[in-house]
Amino acid sequence: GQQLNQSPQSMFIQEGEDVSMNCTSSSIFNTWLWYKQDPGEGPVLLIALYKAGELTSNGRLTAQFGITRKDSFLNISASIPSDVGIYFCAGRSNAGNNRKLIWGLGTSLAVNP
Amino acid sequence: ETGVTQSPTHLIKTRGQQVTLRCSSQSGHNTVSWYQQALGQGPQFIFQYYREEENGRGNFPPRFSGLQFPNYSSELNVNALELDDSALYLCASSLMTQETQYFGPGTRLLVL
Repeated sequence: GQQLNQSPQSMFIQEGEDVSMNCTSSSIFNTWLWYKQDPGEGPVLLIALYKAGELTSNGRLTAQFGITRKDSFLNISASIPSDVGIYFCAGRSNAGNNRKLIWGLGTSLAVNP
Repeated sequence: ETGVTQSPTHLIKTRGQQVTLRCSSQSGHNTVSWYQQALGQGPQFIFQYYREEENGRGNFPPRFSGLQFPNYSSELNVNALELDDSALYLCASSLMTQETQYFGPGTRLLVL
């Protein structure tokens, strides 16, 4: 199935460090979403972006909707051990009646206390 | 307000069998979407149900079918199971006019 290019695939960082991950698409999206998934659980929405250039924060998390509408990034500042998990980007084009979310492969984050 | 719940949590089937997975949507949500997530992959959209009718479908064969009930709960049925159907099946509910989808914990299906 169709998937977004998400990088990096995995990260291992020290507690307190900042983290940056990004997602790119070959097509234009109208919505970008960032989710976090813990083992054995469903994804939890972190940030939703609906407008090109939009920059939105949720606590230590900040995400931006790229100007070209083909990319997005997520930053986590001052990482803590509970940030461990898999982070997914997801996008939707809204073309026609398309309600399908396209997902990245995820970025696995490990934080060393 | 209760969140999205799914049952069962785990399931083991053999090739050729049929399976039914269940999802209760979050209170007030009338839209349910189903996803298949293989190990190490992102979720893949199977289909969405809105007011008891299918409202969009991904690239899955007809042996994947679903239902939505008047209380907005939903079922995913898979016939003639194949080994590659082994995955985590996620259900997400939302209000049709909003983008936010709230996911359940998933059902992990193993096909032997």
